[in-house]
Formats: sequence, C-alpha cells, structure tokens
Amino acid sequence: QKEVEQDPGPLSVPEGAIVSLNCTYSNSAFQYFMWYRQYSRKGPELLMYTYSSGNKEDGRFTAQVDKSSKYISLFIRDSQPSDSATYLCAMSGNRDDKIIFGKGTRLHILP
Amino acid sequence: NAGVTQTPKFQVLKTGQSMTLQCAQDMNHEYMSWYRQDPGMGLRLIHYSVGAGITDQGEVPNGYNVSRSTTEDFPLRLLSAAPSQTSVYFCASRPRVTDTQYFGPGTRLTVL
Repeated sequence: QKEVEQDPGPLSVPEGAIVSLNCTYSNSAFQYFMWYRQYSRKGPELLMYTYSSGNKEDGRFTAQVDKSSKYISLFIRDSQPSDSATYLCAMSGNRDDKIIFGKGTRLHILP
Repeated sequence: NAGVTQTPKFQVLKTGQSMTLQCAQDMNHEYMSWYRQDPGMGLRLIHYSVGAGITDQGEVPNGYNVSRSTTEDFPLRLLSAAPSQTSVYFCASRPRVTDTQYFGPGTRLTVL
C-alpha cells in the first residue's frame, strides 16, 4: 500500500460549486499536512498547511485533517474557473523529515 | 530574490549520456529536494539535503547522484541516462523553521 493515496480524477464541477478533494494515508507518524496547487507546466505552489488534526480556513479554502481516520480534505467554496489545476496533498512526520506527495487530482471548473 | 531557479528548461539525451541538472536558490534555505513528476505518478522524491554537505535518498534514488557543497546549489547528476528517466524534474527548497516549500519551474527531460 502506497503511503499516500489520492484519486487522480479528473473532477469536473460547475462554477460556484463546493469542491471536495481528499487523500488517505497509512503512516500514523505523519503530523504535517499540506495541499499544493499546480497549474499546467508550472511548479507546485503551497496552498494550505496544517499541523496535526483539525481545520484551517483561508479565504475560500478549508483544509481538514482527521488523524484517527488517516484522512485529509481540501474544500473550495464558490469555485472559479481559475481554480482549475492539479491539487496535490503532501505530508511529513516532522520538520526534518522528507515530504511525501499524493499523485494529485486534476480539477476542472466549468464556466 | 530569484527564488528557485533550474537549468536547463528542456533537454534531450541519448541513452547512456550523462548530464547535470542545475538547481540554485537565493533564499538561504537549509532544505533542498529533487522530485520527478510522471503522468499518473505524482511527485516522487529522488534525493534531498538538509544542509551543505548532507544528502539522503528519497523514494526513487537509483540512477541519480547529488551533492551539496554550498547552501545555494543542489545539482542532480544522471550518470548514464535511460529512457525510464524521461520525466519532468522539479527542485524545491524550504527553510528549516517552516514547511513552506518553494518549487522551481522544472526541467523537461527526454531520453531517447
């Protein structure tokens, strides 16, 4: 079993909808959880960062971590065509540890 | 700040050739990493470094060498290129005290 599992999509939703993106993981030592956004032919950029369990909100984006279920989510409210990109989850055990990425989910927001 | 820079942007090699992918950052970050990205495979860690003179292997290190003689530079060497190394390569850096990792623009490598 791969350490981090993420559905590659593609996921197509109409503009204005709420988007839910998810990852599961197997390593209970993971404590730092991140979401990156990657536009086509560009490098990934950090979108959200969460430590341990709980929720974090930043504008239209909310990241959730459920360590008991080994499940993390990213919600996008009022989705826009400019949100169309690949979203990668990533996680690590501690600040000195390597960061492991999911495969990424391709998201299309339809105008 | 230029951030994380990578050269070249594109490269075509023949099987068996060697080359070095360059990565530099001007943010004085301790951590630097190399990833490869293949369709349907996401980002896979090749090698990483937690500081000058210190490197370690990631998930897919075979066929690649790295060294870190300065804080700024972290080159990735392909000693004998193989078609399986056709990929997009990303270099990334981050300071130790945060988890915000900054990625370079990538190098698209094709091995024939």
